Amino acid sequence: DTGVSQDPRHKITKRGQNVTFRCDPISEHNRLYWYRQTLGQGPEFLTYFQNEAQLEKSRLLSDRFSAERPKGSFSTLEIQRTEQGDSAMYLCASSQRVAPEGYTFGSGTRLTVV
Amino acid sequence: KQEVTQIPAALSVPEGENLVLNCSFTDSAIYNLQWFRQDPGKGLTSLLLIQSSQREQTSGRLNASLDKSSGRSTLYIAASQPGDSATYLCAVNGDSNYQLIWGAGTKLIIKP
Repeated sequence: DTGVSQDPRHKITKRGQNVTFRCDPISEHNRLYWYRQTLGQGPEFLTYFQNEAQLEKSRLLSDRFSAERPKGSFSTLEIQRTEQGDSAMYLCASSQRVAPEGYTFGSGTRLTVV
Repeated sequence: KQEVTQIPAALSVPEGENLVLNCSFTDSAIYNLQWFRQDPGKGLTSLLLIQSSQREQTSGRLNASLDKSSGRSTLYIAASQPGDSATYLCAVNGDSNYQLIWGAGTKLIIKP
């Protein structure tokens, strides 16, 4: 297992378009998290899954955002009708159970909305 | 509400110096605290994880300490190298048990 993988690494899109990001967690990790990070700030929590169940969503996750983890393995984060304010680094992390060994992050997807 | 603060926001030191980065948090009810490194435009690399029952963790030239009662953690870097230049973030895993609360980071520059 090579860690947490995110795809694509970079995405440039026009305002109003839809985008989808993918995250493949470490295989034995049953928890998966999405965070968003803007320049000069720490990451902000968006949502997390335990297996296929989405257990918590931040108020940052407006109705234009949707996340899925259909089989408890990989996850997708979709943003509909993108806005310039959505430009950020989207980070995925995974952990075991209650994260006794901490969180492992992917390299992120940098989204630029023009 | 848990808040995490990192001081200083930026630090520039000559190569070879030992240095300390600080992280403070307002609620001592935490499960663990994790230090991460982030290179410009990149994701996060975990450096050290300290469980709430531990006082410190070491990895190579890095040593992280935790004082839950005072709400403080420090990351000590020995014999700094230009390759250590990056932003260092601390994150607390608090009573929600699923959400990390982050500091804004310390941007470290090691001058050759």
